[in-house]
Amino acid sequence: GAVVSQHPSRVICKSGTSVKIECRSLDFQATTMFWYRQFPKQSLMLMATSNEGSKATYEQGVEKDKFLINHASLTLSTLTVTSAHPEDSSFYICSAGHHLGGNNEQFFGPGTRLTVL
Amino acid sequence: GQSLEQPSEVTAVEGAIVQINCTYQTSGFYGLSWYQQHDGGAPTFLSYNALDGLEETGRFSSFLSRSDSYGYLLLQELQMKDSASYFCAVRDQGDKIIFGKGTRLHILP
Repeated sequence: GAVVSQHPSRVICKSGTSVKIECRSLDFQATTMFWYRQFPKQSLMLMATSNEGSKATYEQGVEKDKFLINHASLTLSTLTVTSAHPEDSSFYICSAGHHLGGNNEQFFGPGTRLTVL
Repeated sequence: GQSLEQPSEVTAVEGAIVQINCTYQTSGFYGLSWYQQHDGGAPTFLSYNALDGLEETGRFSSFLSRSDSYGYLLLQELQMKDSASYFCAVRDQGDKIIFGKGTRLHILP
């Protein structure tokens, strides 16, 4: 159990367009999900905390108007990159917490590779 | 501020033992986790230490000393498939995870 999926796995778009990435917890409910961004050969940088039924909490330096997060249900969070530019090209990963074996472990989705031309 | 320090690269021989150290300075601390990430893939959970001491899971062990703000990941009987990046991560308030910069492990045959 505790599987997190992301869709799409890869997306290529033109500069100026918007891209929506979905993160789903398949076999458990998650009131909180997290969105990360990872540039090549770098670490995962936390972008925001997605809270079901309320506004997302963004990390310092992350533009909330550019990276729109919606957590409409206990199994789905979406990240929309608005007016994408080439510098937004990155690997976007979501995670969700689940109590497994007594620990609240974070389970990661497989990631979405965004390329903006 | 939050900072986690770990070596950028480590090289070891197949079959050997390697230790990856991590020191941290964070405003909140609810435990130290370790993740493995292969190129192009997502991180996978390896271990979690909330209390001081050693946790063993098969070939991998993880240690934590909260008084020293220090932990390490120990990999034994190295296999070629262990070549990957390893991240230490601090669990902050609200289950937020802050990642270190990662250690690239190279394994030689």
